[in-house]
This record gives sequence, C-alpha cells and structure tokens, in this order.
Amino acid sequence: KAGVTQTPRYLIKTRGQQVTLSCSPISGHRSVSWYQQTPGQGLQFLFEYFSETQRNKGNFPGRFSGRQFSNSRSEMNVSTLELGDSALYLCASSLDAGPSSGANVLTFGAGSRLTVL
Amino acid sequence: EDQVTQSPEALRLQEGESSSLNCSYTVSGLRGLFWYRQDPGKGPEFLFTLYSAGEEKEKERLKATLTKKESFLHITAPKPEDSATYLCAVQGYNQGGKLIFGQGTELSVKP
Repeated sequence: KAGVTQTPRYLIKTRGQQVTLSCSPISGHRSVSWYQQTPGQGLQFLFEYFSETQRNKGNFPGRFSGRQFSNSRSEMNVSTLELGDSALYLCASSLDAGPSSGANVLTFGAGSRLTVL
Repeated sequence: EDQVTQSPEALRLQEGESSSLNCSYTVSGLRGLFWYRQDPGKGPEFLFTLYSAGEEKEKERLKATLTKKESFLHITAPKPEDSATYLCAVQGYNQGGKLIFGQGTELSVKP
C-alpha cells in the first residue's frame, strides 16, 4: 500500500517568490491536512481539505493557500515568500469516517523542505 | 484554547534504562490523543491513539497511558534504535484532520 507522497522533497527559493507543493494521499483517503514544522514553533496546522472543500484553517496569513482535486490530491501555495517561511512542510492524509468511527488517524508524508534565501 | 505540553524536551538514556515521557493536554472534547515518532528528515510515524482515561496501549518496548489531563509514554529497556523525537498530539471533536502537537521529546539511547 503506497504511503503519502510529497513533491518536491527539497527546494530553494528567494524572498518574494512563490512556491507550490504537491501531495498525493493514500488511496481511499478523503482528508488531506497540511502542517508547517520549524525548530522554534514545532508542528503547526495550516489547513485541511475534505472532498475538495477547506474544512479547517490554522492561524497563518493569507499568503498560504491550498486546494484539493477530485482525486483527493492536494497542493499548497505560498506567495511572496519570506525568510520565516523556511520550514518542513508536511502533508497528512486520513480516511476520516466520522466521529462515531473513533479518532481520525493521520498518516504523514516525508515532507517538502523549503529554504528561503 | 487547546494546548499540549511535553516534557522533558530532551532525554538521554543508556541502553536498557527505562523511563517515561510526559504529555499534558487541555482540549475541549477529546476525540483522540496520538503519539507519533519522528526520525530526522522524515515525517511523523504513527504509534498509538488513546481515547479515554484509563486506556493503555503497548507496542514492543513502548506503552502509552492516558488520564484526563496527561498521557505517558513508557519506554522499557530501550535500544539505540528507539532514538527519535516523540510527538504527542490531541484531536478535538469536529476538528477533522486538525491536530494540536506538543513540542516533542528528543530521545537519545546510547549503547
């Protein structure tokens, strides 16, 4: 069973540029969530998509956006990059059969390491 | 506000020296508490989900327990391959894929 695939794994950008990261979830998983991981702030929730709709959003500026396609694949975009955007961006997918089925277990990808110069 | 605090930040053990990691949490309506393991350069790997106070789960040398305010990850007779960062996270009801993570405990096990 294939896991969560993120591309690219590493990328370097300069301030002011924009970046698009891609995530292919586990087959059959309808929910895709994005997280930012930095040494200082740890893992922070960016947003979640479920059936092509944004279901949850974290406390990040509007420069961070995302979308989900009909095949559940997701992309996130960061515009006007700042030095502080350097981080590991993690995508996670889950089945999410609803609260009555228990907790929603997330499976994470290996991440996309973004460096902003 | 939902919050997770882990302690200690770092833990160094000798091989075979058992210990525990702590996770204190506050959440309005717990759907689940998660433990993940993260190795350098990799994404978090799922270990356990706990749902209610008094619940315990085991996997090899790891045992996770849950109370109404805390969770503990007990490591019995650790080996060098147990070295990693251990992350605790909570999920509230109606929060879908949103997890609130603690800062993690970096565990180092020396032979």
